[in-house]
Amino acid sequence: AQSVTQPDIHITVSEGASLELRCNYSYGATPYLFWYVQSPGQGLQLLLKYFSGDTLVQGIKGFEAEFKRSQSSFNLRKPSVHWSDAAEYFCAVGAENAGNMLTFGGGTRLMVKP
Amino acid sequence: DAGVIQSPRHEVTEMGQEVTLRCKPISGHNSLFWYRQTMMRGLELLIYFNNNVPIDDSGMPEDRFSAKMPNASFSTLKIQPSEPRDSAVYFCASSLQGPAYGYTFGSGTRLTVV
Repeated sequence: AQSVTQPDIHITVSEGASLELRCNYSYGATPYLFWYVQSPGQGLQLLLKYFSGDTLVQGIKGFEAEFKRSQSSFNLRKPSVHWSDAAEYFCAVGAENAGNMLTFGGGTRLMVKP
Repeated sequence: DAGVIQSPRHEVTEMGQEVTLRCKPISGHNSLFWYRQTMMRGLELLIYFNNNVPIDDSGMPEDRFSAKMPNASFSTLKIQPSEPRDSAVYFCASSLQGPAYGYTFGSGTRLTVV
């Protein structure tokens, strides 16, 4: 079965600084990888996804993520963080043998300092 | 597209009362998921349906919880009787068939049992 680890529970960055949120997955074949963002009081919103092709994927709100098979990672990045990016971020993995099921990581809470 | 619609947004009830949460998935989506989110346990999958049929309910905490999907456009999650430890945010999500699509989440129902 697939699994997802987000090593950082909390991260604080200054506004304008770059951001990288880590995600490591465990799955034998090529995974389907997702990043979601949850703003306070809201549901989870899809930021971006990867399942084939270019390993660097662009998403909404200026986010990107890079799939690195050798490291089993799918880290989320943003070159310059805005105060409105403060939220919780979830990495998720799906697999062909899991039907529509996604496995979610525990989430990383991002705080942005002015 | 109106997205996944959940009602009510907030529910406050007394211990022992029955609570029913409602979800309308996106038209054309054939999978539906119920999640519970708490600070202590994070995001937990309760049950998921495929083509209106429950596929995996192993996450349902106990017999007090039940879920139905009588047709492709409506699902309910019922708690009877409710207990204070059921206080959480309950999310519904829907998806198309296959792992590549990811989920679309509703805005959630915040349940408080006093």
